[in-house]
Amino acid sequence: GQQVMQIPQYQHVQEGEDFTTYCNSSTTLSNIQWYKQRPGGHPVFLIQLVKSGEVKKQKRLTFQFGEAKKNSSLHITATQTTDVGTYFCAGPKAAGNKLTFGGGTRVLVKP
Amino acid sequence: NAGVTQTPKFQVLKTGQSMTLQCAQDMNHNSMYWYRQDPGMGLRLIYYSASEGTTDKGEVPNGYNVSRLNKREFSLRLESAAPSQTSVYFCASSLREEQFFGPGTRLTVL
Repeated sequence: GQQVMQIPQYQHVQEGEDFTTYCNSSTTLSNIQWYKQRPGGHPVFLIQLVKSGEVKKQKRLTFQFGEAKKNSSLHITATQTTDVGTYFCAGPKAAGNKLTFGGGTRVLVKP
Repeated sequence: NAGVTQTPKFQVLKTGQSMTLQCAQDMNHNSMYWYRQDPGMGLRLIYYSASEGTTDKGEVPNGYNVSRLNKREFSLRLESAAPSQTSVYFCASSLREEQFFGPGTRLTVL
């Protein structure tokens, strides 16, 4: 079945530094979504990418969808303590609105 | 507009007990979902409902049953709880691709 993998599983970042987390799917995706979950909270939708090679920015966050539509990345610049949390990517299953979630990248920020 | 609400927030059960987790959404969404999240792991789909009156199994349906009572409400039932069902349970709803999650129910089975 479809698998979505994320690396790294954990990311320790010094405040002010940049980092990137990666998402890889075993199948070609029609779109990919990213969610953020703060510690003790629930996942919150961040963005959806649809087109091959698409790049979208949200302030310090840059999301990219791979040319083959099988991978995606999230790059955060000048990391802040508000970026703490787990970032999940998710790809749709073949039918319906069901999603397959990656295992997430847990981001810890050192002040 | 409350979004997705879940009750209870916390629950402790003994092995073999049963309970129902409640979920409701006020966004007029057709699709609703139940996920479980184990420590340090991603979200695994338990059951899915594309519309009122329809339900479908997800990745980990064993030990669970669901009811889509109406468009707003989607409940998850554990008939005979087991320690392996200790987890955080999230309900979500969607109109299209973007899913909106409830605050979760933290369930411990002793």
